[in-house]
Amino acid sequence: ELKVEQNPLFLSMQEGKNYTIYCNYSTTSDRLYWYRQDPGKSLESLFVLLSNGAVKQEGRLMASLDTKARLSTLHITAAVHDLSATYFCAVDRGGSEKLVFGKGTKLTVNP
Amino acid sequence: GAGVSQTPSNKVTEKGKYVELRCDPISGHTALYWYRQSLGQGPEFLIYFQGTGAADDSGLPNDRFFAVRPEGSVSTLKIQRTERGDSAVYLCASSLNPGTMVNEQFFGPGTRLTVL
Repeated sequence: ELKVEQNPLFLSMQEGKNYTIYCNYSTTSDRLYWYRQDPGKSLESLFVLLSNGAVKQEGRLMASLDTKARLSTLHITAAVHDLSATYFCAVDRGGSEKLVFGKGTKLTVNP
Repeated sequence: GAGVSQTPSNKVTEKGKYVELRCDPISGHTALYWYRQSLGQGPEFLIYFQGTGAADDSGLPNDRFFAVRPEGSVSTLKIQRTERGDSAVYLCASSLNPGTMVNEQFFGPGTRLTVL
């Protein structure tokens, strides 16, 4: 059974600081996704990572994938309050289109 | 263009009642997915449609849950004899290219179901 674990589950940080969210998954996966969810809202797609060593960046967020370690990271650079949200990673496996999500990391960026 | 839409946005019902939740995918997207998100958790897969047929219904928790997509576009999730444990946000997603390398799923705003 494919399992996805994120840590930390809660993260409180100050504006201007850097931090990393980790996503581990239990079995070989074809694709890894990062989503953002604001309170009471739906999920917004941030990144799709397809291959070992893939790195994608958008603004202050950078995501990377290490398929050998079954690990993805979401790095936050010089955090701002607008990044406060819950971040989910999700994976799927060859032959299956369903996404398996982690529990999410609730990020709070304090002024 | 228009994204995935879901109706109603909120549904309150009593235990034992029947409910229907509707999803309208992005135009042209052949794949449609239903997920359920409980408070403080990530979404959990329920069912996936490719066209009109259910390609994977392994996430439906029991036979009280059923979904249809008769014309390959709009889908309805149906829950019979609702129980308090069914309370959650039901999310619908659609994608353009299932079976290809990049199968990005786009999510709707969800229906918050509360069973009293």
